[in-house]
Amino acid sequence: ILNVEQSPQSLHVQEGDSTNFTCSFPSSNFYALHWYRWETAKSPEALFVMTLNGDEKKKGRISATLNTKEGYSYLYIKGSQPEDSATYLCAFYSSASKIIFGSGTRLSIRP
Amino acid sequence: DGGITQSPKYLFRKEGQNVTLSCEQNLNHDAMYWYRQDPGQGLRLIYYSQIVNDFQKGDIAEGYSVSREKKESFPLTVTSAQKNPTAFYLCASTDGNTGELFFGEGSRLTVL
Repeated sequence: ILNVEQSPQSLHVQEGDSTNFTCSFPSSNFYALHWYRWETAKSPEALFVMTLNGDEKKKGRISATLNTKEGYSYLYIKGSQPEDSATYLCAFYSSASKIIFGSGTRLSIRP
Repeated sequence: DGGITQSPKYLFRKEGQNVTLSCEQNLNHDAMYWYRQDPGQGLRLIYYSQIVNDFQKGDIAEGYSVSREKKESFPLTVTSAQKNPTAFYLCASTDGNTGELFFGEGSRLTVL
């Protein structure tokens, strides 16, 4: 059974602080790893699509790294803002159609 | 605007009744998915379809059925055989190039 784990489950961060969280996934049968942001009352939206070991992606203050050999990805948020409050999901793809989600990290930013 | 539309947003059902959740997309995506979310858990795959007239069971297909008669539509029926149907249901489709999932806004089903 393939297992994708995210930690921590929830995180409370002061506005302006930087933070990071982890997605662990099987190191075999890797096809892709996606990060999604899910804001309350909205649909999940893709942040990053990562396919190669060593990939580093950046979008504004948010960045992600990927290590497929050891089976983990980190998501970093620099200088957290209230609009960063959301649940962050990682999705492990073992093929183009076989996708397993982690349970998410719920991030709350304190003003 | 292109996107995925799910309806209804909220649905109440009596025990023993079947209910169908609608999912329509105008993104011209071949693949569509149904996920279920329960509190404290990740999204779990119910069914997926990679092409019209074809669909595959996901990890928790028991008590559910789907059809894919048109590319744009992938309705999910929650049958009376589903033991614990109260949940939040998300429909998605994928971009064939990147595999990026595009989601609807979800349907919350409550069984009374």
